[in-house]
Amino acid sequence: KAGVTQTPRYLIKTRGQQVTLSCSPISGHRSVSWYQQTPGQGLQFLFEYFSETQRNKGNFPGRFSGRQFSNSRSEMNVSTLELGDSALYLCASSLTVTGNTIYFGEGSWLTVV
Amino acid sequence: SQQGEEDPQALSIQEGENATMNCSYKTSINNLQWYRQNSGRGLVHLILIRSNEREKHSGRLRVTLDTSKKSSSLLITASRAADTASYFCATDGAGANSKLTFGKGITLSVRP
Repeated sequence: KAGVTQTPRYLIKTRGQQVTLSCSPISGHRSVSWYQQTPGQGLQFLFEYFSETQRNKGNFPGRFSGRQFSNSRSEMNVSTLELGDSALYLCASSLTVTGNTIYFGEGSWLTVV
Repeated sequence: SQQGEEDPQALSIQEGENATMNCSYKTSINNLQWYRQNSGRGLVHLILIRSNEREKHSGRLRVTLDTSKKSSSLLITASRAADTASYFCATDGAGANSKLTFGKGITLSVRP
């Protein structure tokens, strides 16, 4: 069974640009969540989707958005990139919204220059 | 804000020794999960312990949970150099809209 797949793995963007990151959950998993990891702030929750609906959202500005498709695949978008958005963005999937093991992908390394 | 707080922040031991890492949290939980992260990689799930469980084992890993003290510990026995990584505890809250909340992690170095 394939794990959580994130693309792209590495990318470099310029300030002011926007970026879209993609996540394919484990087959059968309907819950997808996103995290930002930086050395200073650690792992910060961005949002969680279940059955195409945003179920929970972290404390991030509106420049950060996401969506989930009917096949449970998810994308997150960051608009008007800032230097501080440089981070490892991790996607995780689980069977349902709570009480289950959550599996992470390898992440997408975003560098904003 | 971080729900789980790991302790110590960094730990350095000799191969073959046991490593004990602690995690404390503030609010009621459904379960607590421990993860490992090798440098620059994703998080690898190690073990999940539910709020009605007190201890779980998986290979060389032993996790305990004390809900009265709101704390958990992860014990790695007979450590290996390959165990060198960052370890995170994450709590799955008890509310309807709970989310998995991570601590800042513990850096474990196992010297060969």
